[in-house]
Amino acid sequence: EIVVTQSPGTLSLSPGERATLSCRASQSVSSTYLAWYQQKPGQAPRLLIYGASSRATGIPDRFSGSGSGTDFTLTISRLEPEDFAVYYCQQYGSSPLTFGGGTKVEIK
Amino acid sequence: EVQLVESGGGVLRPGGSLRLSCAASGFTFDGYGMSWVRQAPGKGLEWVSGINWNGGGTGYADSVKGRFTISRDNAKNSLYLQMNSLRAEDTALYHCARFASGSYYNPLDYWGQGTLVTVSS
Repeated sequence: EIVVTQSPGTLSLSPGERATLSCRASQSVSSTYLAWYQQKPGQAPRLLIYGASSRATGIPDRFSGSGSGTDFTLTISRLEPEDFAVYYCQQYGSSPLTFGGGTKVEIK
Repeated sequence: EVQLVESGGGVLRPGGSLRLSCAASGFTFDGYGMSWVRQAPGKGLEWVSGINWNGGGTGYADSVKGRFTISRDNAKNSLYLQMNSLRAEDTALYHCARFASGSYYNPLDYWGQGTLVTVSS
């Protein structure tokens, strides 16, 4: 099983600042099969990024993903008030599929 | 509009069984793989199981392998999760989700709101 670790656990930032979230896999993720999701309280997760760097339909371009192998990054260029949420990365290249523990982006 | 609506959750004792259902609409159900993902109260996401478009391939998390069985009925646009030998640690909100294509080696692009399963003595 590929173990996925996210850091930091919590990120305290102000609106307008840049957020950088890290995701590390215990083994190389095949074909960059790495996704990022956003979850707000009381809501289902929403797909943001797939294939490590492709934005899902309707996702603003302030969200970007990068990385390959075992190290991946989600960047939010300028935080909007609606971006404060929990973010999860997930590898889907190897079964069982696995999620990271999440990074909470909170208002400073 | 894609809709995924889960049902079948409830409160039960350890060792019990439960069958969850997910009714899908707004897309061609037999063209997509489907999945169950759970979230324990106040915790993160855990992938539980996935099934490809025709039911010919399935996968499970190690924590549920041998106890849970995923299945689908394409004629009824429905996904199921048979849960046996339930444990307290299976307590969670269970989301039904759609893979972006026919196999389960894909991202999850639509999610339901979930059905709550509570296992307690």
